Amino acid sequence: DTEVTQTPKHLVMGMTNKKSLKCEQHMGHRAMYWYKQKAKKPPELMFVYSYEKLSINESVPSRFSPECPNSSLLNLHLHALQPEDSALYLCASSQVDGTPNTEAFFGQGTRLTVV
Amino acid sequence: GNSVTQMEGPVTLSEEAFLTINCTYTATGYPSLFWYVQYPGEGLQLLLKATKADDKGSNKGFEATYRKETTSFHLEKGSVQVSDSAVYFCALSRNTGFQKLVFGTGTRLLVSP
Repeated sequence: DTEVTQTPKHLVMGMTNKKSLKCEQHMGHRAMYWYKQKAKKPPELMFVYSYEKLSINESVPSRFSPECPNSSLLNLHLHALQPEDSALYLCASSQVDGTPNTEAFFGQGTRLTVV
Repeated sequence: GNSVTQMEGPVTLSEEAFLTINCTYTATGYPSLFWYVQYPGEGLQLLLKATKADDKGSNKGFEATYRKETTSFHLEKGSVQVSDSAVYFCALSRNTGFQKLVFGTGTRLLVSP
């Protein structure tokens, strides 16, 4: 199983709502990532979890709150978002071994629209 | 810092034409290099990779060679198909434990019958 599963596929939320994006993998990977991709732009790294601990936060606003409850799950909690936060949110996972053969596997993404 | 530069798109080709998408990088040390493909409305799929100088990555008829002397990783395919229409991202990663990918801006490929 080389799949990273993200739910929901689409989400529309108001600026006062609280919602969560979910990501799951069963490849035994111990690194999990959140990327944000605006239309016609490349993905930009938001957060990296390594062994369930937050390793990298790329200066992301606090209205985005990541959580890694166990080695297979990654959540992104959303609160008080702005319309400019509308984007495709991609989850990825990989091994943590530092070898050149490490490869990141991406999910299909959640397309978020903030109204 | 680390960065990736890709040619601007879109690249418009007829079916069975030869494809080249240029990619150059700036990085300290010896990064791994990747090409990812994104079909409309989907996530990213790894197309191919190379982990050291002179390595050639290949998959589904696509090839790219890691050229350290020119800091390049150009994507080529001898005969494109309509189904190859997608956005192609060149990316690099320093081998620091996990995959912190740095992407180029992406190149859209449109193949017509």
